[in-house]
Amino acid sequence: EVQLVESGGGLAQPGGSLRLSCAASRLTLSSYAMSWVRQAPGKGLEWVSVISGSGDYTNYADSVKGRFTISRDSSKNTLYLQMNSLGADDTAVYYCAIQNSGPVDWGQGTLVSVSS
Amino acid sequence: IQMTQSPSSLSASVGDRVTITCRASQGIRNDLGWYQQKPGKAPKRLIYAASSLQSGVPSRFSGSGSGTEFTLTISSLQPEDFATYYCLQHNSYPQTFGQGTKLEIK
Repeated sequence: EVQLVESGGGLAQPGGSLRLSCAASRLTLSSYAMSWVRQAPGKGLEWVSVISGSGDYTNYADSVKGRFTISRDSSKNTLYLQMNSLGADDTAVYYCAIQNSGPVDWGQGTLVSVSS
Repeated sequence: IQMTQSPSSLSASVGDRVTITCRASQGIRNDLGWYQQKPGKAPKRLIYAASSLQSGVPSRFSGSGSGTEFTLTISSLQPEDFATYYCLQHNSYPQTFGQGTKLEIK
């Protein structure tokens, strides 16, 4: 069974930065497109970003474009989300997911809270 | 692409048949999935390509539609089905979810 484990969440100051990681076991991440999806407390799901299997294509939601960067390290079999210029609206649980005609296998999520 | 999901909440009983609808603001062929989410858990995909049942998902779940109108039907509600359901279009980026439908016990 595929296992995705997110880490790196926590409390950040407004304007600050965090880097989320998503480590995979029992699969090779570079074989798959991967996405980040987030969910603010008590709210619905919001797609955030995608990266192709080769890493040469990325796309972002308008709400994070220019502030967030998705990347992957094949040698570590890990997906990343670098988040800069954080604001209160970025407070959410962040999930990584394997992308195959939409997100299919999901991690358990990591909570990011942005507050002073 | 905007996804309009209805209803936003639904109260039903065990054994009931329920239908949830998603409407896309433009045609998305059959590039749509349905997800179930329980409190504190990650979403789980039930349906892909609008009408294909994800492996391991009970056959009481079904999806239909193409273009701009899509439905998720649960033929006979079971206690474990009370959850929040979302549609997602992946026809073009940014991928977009519907607002969600919270299915509650009557």
